This record gives sequence, C-alpha cells and structure tokens, in this order.
Amino acid sequence: AQSVTQPDIHITVSEGASLELRCNYSYGATPYLFWYVQSPGQGLQLLLKYFSGDTLVQGIKGFEAEFKRSQSSFNLRKPSVHWSDAAEYFCAVGRMEYGNKLVFGAGTILRVKS
Amino acid sequence: NAGVTQTPKFQVLKTGQSMTLQCAQDMNHEYMSWYRQDPGMGLRLIHYSVGAGITDQGEVPNGYNVSRSTTEDFPLRLLSAAPSQTSVYFCASSPRGNQPQHFGDGTRLSIL
Repeated sequence: AQSVTQPDIHITVSEGASLELRCNYSYGATPYLFWYVQSPGQGLQLLLKYFSGDTLVQGIKGFEAEFKRSQSSFNLRKPSVHWSDAAEYFCAVGRMEYGNKLVFGAGTILRVKS
Repeated sequence: NAGVTQTPKFQVLKTGQSMTLQCAQDMNHEYMSWYRQDPGMGLRLIHYSVGAGITDQGEVPNGYNVSRSTTEDFPLRLLSAAPSQTSVYFCASSPRGNQPQHFGDGTRLSIL
C-alpha cells in the first residue's frame, strides 16, 4: 500500500534562514509527487509537482523539491524563508490514471520567528 | 472562474442527522474527489469519481455516499452523522491525465 511519511510535525525557523521539509514515500511504481501548502482556515494550494524528468523541480513562492528515487524521498526546500511562509505543508503521492487518488502525509507545521 | 466551490463552509449537526455537502466545479474536470482532514492525519480519500455516473470508494468510505449525475457536481452525503465524522471536508477536481488536483476551501463539520 502507498504511504507518505513526514517525520517532522512542527518546524520553527528564523526569517531569512533556509528550510528543508522532509518527505518519504512508499510506492510500488514510479510515483507522481506533490507538495501542497495550507494556510489556516484555507484550502490546499499546489506548490510543485514531480511527474518525470528532471529530479529537481521548481515551484511557486521560491520553493523547490528534489526527487531521490534511491532514498524514496521528495524533500521541499527554500533558501530564505519569509514570515508569510508560515503554514502547514503536505506531501502527497498518487497516480493520475486512477482518478487522481492521492495519499497524503500527516503534514508539517512551519513556524517562522522574526 | 470560480474553480471548486464547496457549500456550506460551516455546519453543526446532531448525532443521527443526515446532510449533504455540496461540491461544484466549473472547469469541466472529469475527476473529482472527497477528502477528510483530521489533525495529525493529513487528508484521507473518502470517495472519488472518474466521470459522470462513475464513482468508487477511497480509504475511508464508511458512513458516506456519493453520486455523480453531472460533470460539474459531486455531492457527499452523510447518512446518519456520528461524532467521529467531525472533520474538515475537502472536495477536489482535476482533468484526466497528468494534472494536479484543485481543492475547494473546505467544509468544517461538527457533530454533537
């Protein structure tokens, strides 16, 4: 069965510091991978996606993620965090051929201190 | 372009009551899904649909029904509400193929 693990429930970083959010997945084939962000009381916004090709993908708001097949990981990074990045981040895995069913990780709550 | 619209945004029910959560999309997407979000558990798939007239169960379908009579609408029905169904419900849609899902703003449901 597919599964996604986000090991960090909460992360606190200082504004301007770099950020890395971890995501590990278990999947029987080459997965499609996503990172979503959710601000309090809001829906989910897509940050970036990986389907195939270049393993380093760029997203919105200055985020990037790297797919590492050997480590079954898809970590999210940002070189310099802004206070507005405080939110909850979800990693998800799925296959588009079967109704776009996604399996989500439990989420990582990012706090940014000034 | 409204995207994915969920109504109501908030609802309080008593145990045993029934209700329907509405979801509509105006992007002509074939795929639609319902998820529930609970603290510390991320989002879990309840039901999904790959087109009008076609639905299937997700990870946590018990206590919920769906139907898809049109491309635009995908309502979620709670047959007899239970406190364990207190959650935030998200509807999502996407076109067929390698495209990510678009999410609505959610319905916050409390069952007393």
